[in-house]
Amino acid sequence: LAKTTQPISMDSYEGQEVNITCSHNNIATNDYITWYQQFPSQGPRFIIQGYKTKVTNEVASLFIPADRKSSTLSLPRVSLSDTAVYYCLVQGGSNYQLIWGAGTKLIIKP
Amino acid sequence: DAGVIQSPRHEVTEMGQEVTLRCKPISGHDYLFWYRQTMMRGLELLIYFNNNVPIDDSGMPEDRFSAKMPNASFSTLKIQPSEPRDSAVYFCASSFRLAGNKGGEQFFGPGTRLTVL
Repeated sequence: LAKTTQPISMDSYEGQEVNITCSHNNIATNDYITWYQQFPSQGPRFIIQGYKTKVTNEVASLFIPADRKSSTLSLPRVSLSDTAVYYCLVQGGSNYQLIWGAGTKLIIKP
Repeated sequence: DAGVIQSPRHEVTEMGQEVTLRCKPISGHDYLFWYRQTMMRGLELLIYFNNNVPIDDSGMPEDRFSAKMPNASFSTLKIQPSEPRDSAVYFCASSFRLAGNKGGEQFFGPGTRLTVL
């Protein structure tokens, strides 16, 4: 059964690149990896999803090594508004389970 | 589309009372999810449906919790009887697919903040 582990919190500064890594050692062959962002008093919001190698969209990149046992969310040039909780999700697979990480609280400082 | 709609937004009730939370998913989405979020336990998946059929209810804490989806545009999460430890924010989410490059992302509603006194 897949389990996702991510750091509880991280700090960074405006303009920096931030990388948040999620560990999912028992990921299944058909599982996808998805990242969500959550602001206080709101529901999580989709950021990016991938299966292998690298995926990039207008807000983030997702790096997945060949063994897929981890994934790294990369936020380029963060701003204060990127302060939020970031969740890693392993989903799909043969048993249709969804495994959420505990979330990483990212604080961006001026 | 208005997005996922949840009601009520806030609910305060007394221990032992029945609580019903409601959700309207995005039209055309085949999957509907119920989550609970607390400071202590984080975000927990309670149950999800595919085409109105419950697929995984392993996260439902106990028999006091029940969820139904009578049609594609409506779902309820009921707690009977409610207890103070049920106090949390309950989110409903929907998606077109469960996983995959397109359509697998979940869209969350604004949540219902439940307080059980």
